[in-house]
Amino acid sequence: ETGVTQTPRHLVMGMTNKKSLKCEQHLGHNAMYWYKQSAKKPLELMFVYNFKEQTENNSVPSRFSPECPNSSHLFLHLHTLQPEDSALYLCASSQTPTAGGRVTNEKLFFGSGTQLSVL
Amino acid sequence: TQLLEQSPQFLSIQEGENLTVYCNSSSVFSSLQWYRQEPGEGPVLLVTVVTGGEVKKLKRLTFQFGDARKDSSLHITAAQPGDTGLYLCAPTDNYGQNFVFGPGTRLSVLP
Repeated sequence: ETGVTQTPRHLVMGMTNKKSLKCEQHLGHNAMYWYKQSAKKPLELMFVYNFKEQTENNSVPSRFSPECPNSSHLFLHLHTLQPEDSALYLCASSQTPTAGGRVTNEKLFFGSGTQLSVL
Repeated sequence: TQLLEQSPQFLSIQEGENLTVYCNSSSVFSSLQWYRQEPGEGPVLLVTVVTGGEVKKLKRLTFQFGDARKDSSLHITAAQPGDTGLYLCAPTDNYGQNFVFGPGTRLSVLP
């Protein structure tokens, strides 16, 4: 148990569906992340939120829409996805010392991921 | 653009054998982290190395950070099936939280 919970664990959706992935962290961290992990590519950073503010969007298509209502919850809203979006979507959290702080040696705590299949 | 490589890409060995995996980059890093990801789970941090030439030990795992802080190695002694997983290196720098991960080494230890 890492303190980061993701739901659902598995999701199958059609290209016209709308679904959301949920992430909750119980560690008191102030930064949360979405990563994509597919078979053919390394772990890719998608979004970063610091103190609920999005500080990084790594050129992610608009069919992925993140939402961070508070420091403990992170969502990834999905719509009109493509089959190539099938992957493991991982949420992570970390503690930064100050708002927007740039630090070294941060430790990422990952959830177990949502395995997404787009048909 | 930062180029991060890990080798070998795949490794399958018998229980009890020793192995070394590598993480190499074209950039200098202030520190580097190693994570292990088991099937069906997210990555878990194993260690952070900070100083060039630093060596850290975690039971049967020995981590080394290169003198120039551009490469790192992970040596496992007497591998066990529980060591099976994807080993990822993740360098960090002084200017952000954007964790970039290497492509990983997928290790399989057979009983």
